[in-house]
Amino acid sequence: QKEVEQDPGPLSVPEGAIVSLNCTYSNSAFQYFMWYRQYSRKGPELLMYTYSSGNKEDGRFTAQVDKSSKYISLFIRDSQPSDSATYLCAIIASGGSYIPTFGRGTSLIVHP
Amino acid sequence: EPEVTQTPSHQVTQMGQEVILRCVPISNHLYFYWYRQILGQKVEFLVSFYNNEISEKSEIFDDQFSVERPDGSNFTLKIRSTKLEDSAMYFCASSGAQNSPLHFGNGTRLTVT
Repeated sequence: QKEVEQDPGPLSVPEGAIVSLNCTYSNSAFQYFMWYRQYSRKGPELLMYTYSSGNKEDGRFTAQVDKSSKYISLFIRDSQPSDSATYLCAIIASGGSYIPTFGRGTSLIVHP
Repeated sequence: EPEVTQTPSHQVTQMGQEVILRCVPISNHLYFYWYRQILGQKVEFLVSFYNNEISEKSEIFDDQFSVERPDGSNFTLKIRSTKLEDSAMYFCASSGAQNSPLHFGNGTRLTVT
């Protein structure tokens, strides 16, 4: 069983739409949650970092964590064509290894 | 804003040759990492480095791979005898603490012919 599951997409939405990106995980020791944005042939860029259940907002981005369901989401409001990229979730377990486990990424296309 | 820098951006090498990929992590970070991403696939962990030694490595990081921090700023990944399947994007990352988020460079695209 894969530790972090993420639908690869592609997810295609019109400009201005609200986008919901999701990851599920199996390891209850996962305690630190990150979302990265990766443009083609570039490195992952950190968007959000959180370690508690609930919502964290930063501009147009909201990260949501539900530890009881082992489910995390990233919402993008008022999506723009420049948001077109691959979005990666990454999760770190507490105790033991602190190496982040990445999802395979969801490709997002925002068309004008 | 401080960033992780990697050189070269693209490296082409022949099978069996040695390559060294270079990284300059963020200056006050203590933890350093190498990841690999084969085209169209997920980001895969290779190795982490802390206090001048390897702290963790994956199954991918076999005897053909080595890492070094030769001075106070550079962090290198060496592949001794490259294989075709080593062709990938190699990303360096650093973090300030163990459970802090990683900051990535823009990668080196390695092409083995």
